[in-house]
Amino acid sequence: DAGITQSPRHKVTETGTPVTLRCHQTENHRYMYWYRQDPGHGLRLIHYSYGVKDTDKGEVSDGYSVSRSKTEDFLLTLESATSSQTSVYFCAISDLLAGNNTGELFFGEGSRLTVL
Amino acid sequence: EDQVTQSPEALRLQEGESSSLNCSYTVSGLRGLFWYRQDPGKGPEFLFTLYSAGEEKEKERLKATLTKKESFLHITAPKPEDSATYLCAVLNHYGQNFVFGPGTRLSVLP
Repeated sequence: DAGITQSPRHKVTETGTPVTLRCHQTENHRYMYWYRQDPGHGLRLIHYSYGVKDTDKGEVSDGYSVSRSKTEDFLLTLESATSSQTSVYFCAISDLLAGNNTGELFFGEGSRLTVL
Repeated sequence: EDQVTQSPEALRLQEGESSSLNCSYTVSGLRGLFWYRQDPGKGPEFLFTLYSAGEEKEKERLKATLTKKESFLHITAPKPEDSATYLCAVLNHYGQNFVFGPGTRLSVLP
C-alpha cells in the first residue's frame, strides 16, 4: 500500500471555525491532490500540487486554501468552515510525469469532516 | 471540458451472475483511463490503467476494455467480496487533473 496518512480521520467543528487537514506521504511522489466526495457528486478536485510551493485550483476550490512546504506534506485549510463543507476529504498522490508517462492515483483513507 | 459518466448507478447481481459496468467519457486527448474500487469508509483502490482503444487488462474476475468513447469493466462469476463502488477516471494529455465519474455501486448477493 502507498504510504499516505491523513489526519485527523474524523472531525466535528462549528460553522466559522478554521480547520486544517493534513496529508503526509512517504512515497516521494511529486503530485498531491485534495478531493472531496459527496453523494451524487462523486470525487471532485479541490486543489492540487505539482511540487513544493507549487499549487493550483481544482473545480471546487472556493473556501479552501492549500500549502505545500515539503514534498511529503500537503495541507488543506478551511479558513471559516461552513455546513456545505461537510464532506469526506481524500488526499491522493501520483508520480505523474510530463510527457507520455501516466501515474495512477493512490488515495489516503479519508478525513470525515462535519460542520455544525 | 472533460466528462465521465457511469452506468448503471447501482447494480445487484447474484453470486456467479456475470455483468458489465460502463464508463463513457469525452476528453481532449486521452492520456489514460483508470478504474478504481472503493469499499465503504475507505479510499479508492487502483485497479487498472488503459491507454488506447482496443486495450484490455485483467485481474482475477475483472476485465477492463477500452474504446474511443467508453470503457467496460466486465465482472465474471462475481463473488460477494466483489461488492463495492467502482469508479472510472480519465486524464488528458494537456492537464494534470483526473476527472472522475460518479461510480457504480455493485452488490453481489450470495
